[in-house]
Amino acid sequence: KAGVTQTPRYLIKTRGQQVTLSCSPISGHRSVSWYQQTPGQGLQFLFEYFSETQRNKGNFPGRFSGRQFSNSRSEMNVSTLELGDSALYLCASSLAYGPTDTQYFGPGTRLTVL
Amino acid sequence: TQLLEQSPQFLSIQEGENLTVYCNSSSVFSSLQWYRQEPGEGPVLLVTVVTGGEVKKLKRLTFQFGDARKDSSLHITAAQPGDTGLYLCAGFISNFGNEKLTFGTGTRLTIIP
Repeated sequence: KAGVTQTPRYLIKTRGQQVTLSCSPISGHRSVSWYQQTPGQGLQFLFEYFSETQRNKGNFPGRFSGRQFSNSRSEMNVSTLELGDSALYLCASSLAYGPTDTQYFGPGTRLTVL
Repeated sequence: TQLLEQSPQFLSIQEGENLTVYCNSSSVFSSLQWYRQEPGEGPVLLVTVVTGGEVKKLKRLTFQFGDARKDSSLHITAAQPGDTGLYLCAGFISNFGNEKLTFGTGTRLTIIP
């Protein structure tokens, strides 16, 4: 069974630009969640989608948005990039999203904002 | 403010030694998970504990959930170089049906051969 895939793996952008990251979940998984990982703040929850609906959202500004398609693939978009958006963006998929569900993480997309 | 504090933040020990990593919070969690993350990869789930006081063993790793479900510990016996990595605890906080997985600050473990 193929794992969670994320594209691209590395990305370099400049301030003010926008970026779209893609995540393909494990086949059969309907929940996709996104996290931002930085050395200073650690791993922080961005949002979670289930069956094309955003069910949970973390404390990030509106510049961070996402969506999920009917095949469960998900994208997240960051507009008007800031230097502080440089981070590893991780996507995780699971059958559902709850206290006893196993989340499978992808390798992440390393975003550098110059 | 971090809801989940891990200690120590960094730990470097010799192969064969034992170690314990702690995860503490003032919040009560529905469940608590431990992950290990290696460079260039996403976190991998090691264990999920749900019941207060629960103890789970995974080979040389022993996980314990506090009685009040506010804290947890990970004990590694006879550490090996393959145990090197970033260990993360994470807990689900229930907030009127909106559950979010909150990660701890992380413990970076290095096992010296």
